[in-house]
Amino acid sequence: AQSVTQPDIHITVSEGASLELRCNYSYGATPYLFWYVQSPGQGLQLLLKYFSGDTLVQGIKGFEAEFKRSQSSFNLRKPSVHWSDAAEYFCAAGDSGGGADGLTFGKGTHLIIQP
Amino acid sequence: EAGVAQSPRYKIIEKRQSVAFWCNPISGHATLYWYQQILGQGPKLLIQFQNNGVVDDSQLPKDRFSAERLKGVDSTLKIQPAKLEDSAVYLCASSLDRPETQYFGPGTRLLVL
Repeated sequence: AQSVTQPDIHITVSEGASLELRCNYSYGATPYLFWYVQSPGQGLQLLLKYFSGDTLVQGIKGFEAEFKRSQSSFNLRKPSVHWSDAAEYFCAAGDSGGGADGLTFGKGTHLIIQP
Repeated sequence: EAGVAQSPRYKIIEKRQSVAFWCNPISGHATLYWYQQILGQGPKLLIQFQNNGVVDDSQLPKDRFSAERLKGVDSTLKIQPAKLEDSAVYLCASSLDRPETQYFGPGTRLLVL
């Protein structure tokens, strides 16, 4: 079955420090990959996406993610976090095989920023 | 460009009652999705429409949930009768085509007592 795993439920980072959020997927073929961010009471905002091509993708708000096929991973990174980055982060995958493409989401990582 | 609109934003009902949620996708978006997000979890796909046809409803509890998109634009998701475990946020998303980036609405937060 298709699945997305985010191993870290909570992560605490000091403001100004670097950040890496982990994501692993299990799919029959290379899926489309996304990172979304959700602030309390808000919908999901797309940070970045990978469909094909360059395995290092740049997103909004200074985020980037690297697709590693050999590790079935799509980790999100940011060199220096800001207090406004505190939120819930979701990794998601979609079927690239031409069928239904509803997304499969991980359970999310809650990011806490320490002053 | 206006985003995905959903209403109501909040709803409280008692178990065994019925409830309906409405979604208006981004103009021109052919594909529409309904997701259920239970507290502490990631969203789970309930149903996907392409125009007014159903592409995937394999995870929709069809004994109590129904959804329609009659004219290929707005969509309604209904629960009848509601159970306690239906308490969740119901998210609507749309995309221009398949596969494409999905844009999410603010969600409807449902509490079943």
